[in-house]
Amino acid sequence: EAGVAQSPRYKIIEKRQSVAFWCNPISGHATLYWYQQILGQGPKLLIQFQNNGVVDDSQLPKDRFSAERLKGVDSTLKIQPAKLEDSAVYLCASSLAQGSFYEQYFGPGTRLTVT
Amino acid sequence: GENVEQHPSTLSVQEGDSAVIKCTYSDSASNYFPWYKQELGKRPQLIIDIRSNVGEKKDQRIAVTLNKTAKHFSLHITETQPEDSAVYFCAASKGGGADGLTFGKGTHLIIQP
Repeated sequence: EAGVAQSPRYKIIEKRQSVAFWCNPISGHATLYWYQQILGQGPKLLIQFQNNGVVDDSQLPKDRFSAERLKGVDSTLKIQPAKLEDSAVYLCASSLAQGSFYEQYFGPGTRLTVT
Repeated sequence: GENVEQHPSTLSVQEGDSAVIKCTYSDSASNYFPWYKQELGKRPQLIIDIRSNVGEKKDQRIAVTLNKTAKHFSLHITETQPEDSAVYFCAASKGGGADGLTFGKGTHLIIQP
């Protein structure tokens, strides 16, 4: 089966600019996650969707980050305005359903550099 | 919220020897503990996981143990090979609805030839 797709793979922007990332989960996967992985650290959950509803966004910096999952399939994550500390790899993951019986499959990530 | 501590941050072993990576978690409600392997520039990939109703799980050269009382779990790799070189992350989740993973900071495993 096709894996989780993300684009773009790399993005360089200046601080205070805006940027958007796109994720297409594995077909049929109802649950979608966005993680932020800063260099040298483990991924940190930003937001979890179940179909097109938000399950958990407690760690999403809502003053600058937003995410949506229209129609319960693709998702976009936006940063506006970007800060230097937003430089990281943004990983999208999906699972068949919510609950720990289902493996989370990760996409290749988008590497963001903010200068 | 959940906090996962992982040790060591770097582990160097001779090829053929065993490697052990340890993690502790803070939230006693966590019930799912996966381990991910991440090669440089690649996505994290699940290598083994364990649920709270099991104390140990093994898959060929890889095993994971869980001590719920002490809130710690460990990854054991036997007969290490060069392709085992990577960064390994432990994680924890409460399962149920909000089941996003809380990751440790990672262990860079280096297999010396």
